[in-house]
Amino acid sequence: DGGITQSPKYLFRKEGQNVTLSCEQNLNHDAMYWYRQDPGQGLRLIYYSQIVNDFQKGDIAEGYSVSREKKESFPLTVTSAQKNPTAFYLCASSISRSSGTDTQYFGPGTRLTVL
Amino acid sequence: KQEVTQIPAALSVPEGENLVLNCSFTDSAIYNLQWFRQDPGKGLTSLLLIQSSQREQTSGRLNASLDKSSGRSTLYIAASQPGDSATYLCAVIFRGPGGSYIPTFGRGTSLIVHP
Repeated sequence: DGGITQSPKYLFRKEGQNVTLSCEQNLNHDAMYWYRQDPGQGLRLIYYSQIVNDFQKGDIAEGYSVSREKKESFPLTVTSAQKNPTAFYLCASSISRSSGTDTQYFGPGTRLTVL
Repeated sequence: KQEVTQIPAALSVPEGENLVLNCSFTDSAIYNLQWFRQDPGKGLTSLLLIQSSQREQTSGRLNASLDKSSGRSTLYIAASQPGDSATYLCAVIFRGPGGSYIPTFGRGTSLIVHP
């Protein structure tokens, strides 16, 4: 099956801990994105990557870090510097870094709760 | 900074009604606009993508239009069904720093279609 997978589905973190959310795609897409969604809110862009070994900050990058060592993987680390990390995190990918015409495909999401 | 607004925030209608969901954006220099559906606790599913050079797209009972000059898009749902109940999100893709393509999402319209 082709698609985007995110793991885990639910994640609990104690205050002061770093946690890493996994995002993997087997669609051979160049571009990958991380979003945060809070209740009643739209999606806010955390980081995006248009190509391997390159990524850019989105609107709310503070307290988060990413890496893009492989085309199919774009893990997101939520650090202890993120003051309010409890949210639903969504990963997405799209085909081409050079085109604005392609569709974004989303994973099922990870719900992070800080205890 | 691009801003995307969706009206109404919530909508409750009886089955069979034709619906209009609105999306407005502040910067007309967009590359494309995408409508998504999100079921509770799930990722997003792409419904329609309209390229900046297009005026509308249709898929089954769904029709999306785009008017760049006025900064508006409309999603029309014909003959609504209870299975259409979900949150509908509008995303605008615009050109960002370094030539990257950056999505900006509205907060969504929460739709309930009751039998």
